Amino acid sequence: DAGVIQSPRHEVTEMGQEVTLRCKPISGHNSLFWYRQTMMRGLELLIYFNNNVPIDDSGMPEDRFSAKMPNASFSTLKIQPSEPRDSAVYFCASSQGLAGGASYNEQFFGPGTRLTVL
Amino acid sequence: AQSVAQPEDQVNVAEGNPLTVKCTYSVSGNPYLFWYVQYPNRGLQFLLKYITGDNLVKGSYGFEAEFNKSQTSFHLKKPSALVSDSALYFCAVRDRWSGNTPLVFGKGTRLSVIA
Repeated sequence: DAGVIQSPRHEVTEMGQEVTLRCKPISGHNSLFWYRQTMMRGLELLIYFNNNVPIDDSGMPEDRFSAKMPNASFSTLKIQPSEPRDSAVYFCASSQGLAGGASYNEQFFGPGTRLTVL
Repeated sequence: AQSVAQPEDQVNVAEGNPLTVKCTYSVSGNPYLFWYVQYPNRGLQFLLKYITGDNLVKGSYGFEAEFNKSQTSFHLKKPSALVSDSALYFCAVRDRWSGNTPLVFGKGTRLSVIA
């Protein structure tokens, strides 16, 4: 299995531009998570989906951030307009479970997208 | 509510010595507990987890962790540290009956193994 795939691996953009990050989860996983990691704030959960439905987006910092999961094999995280404080590494992760009840399944992380907003 | 604490931002250990990275948790019910490792410029990698049963859990790369319910702890250990173990380590918890709640991660502990 190729694992969780993220693209691009690096993105450099200018303030005000739209940024789209992409994620392909592991086949068969029905939960998908978007995280942001910075030195100052550590690892933050932005949003997660279960069976393609957003379950909790309370971690999304502002309305400039949006995420979609149109099907089980693809998700996007969009920032519009981008700001320098959005510079971070963005991780996508997937797992099986979370559909009610208890889930002890681990999450598998992608390699991340390093975003730099100038 | 569920939470996890990693009280040490940094742990330094000499190569060949035993290492311990500390983690304590808080859940209203019974926990599922996880350890992840992050090497530079990489995503988090799963090391081991506690679900139920034996309190001592063995994982990848010679790591193990001990679940202690009375102390609400899940410390990560390795008998003999390697320089290649230097990385950022995350503890995570999920309440067993928390429905759709995902894992809650600690802030991470940076382990530095000195040759």
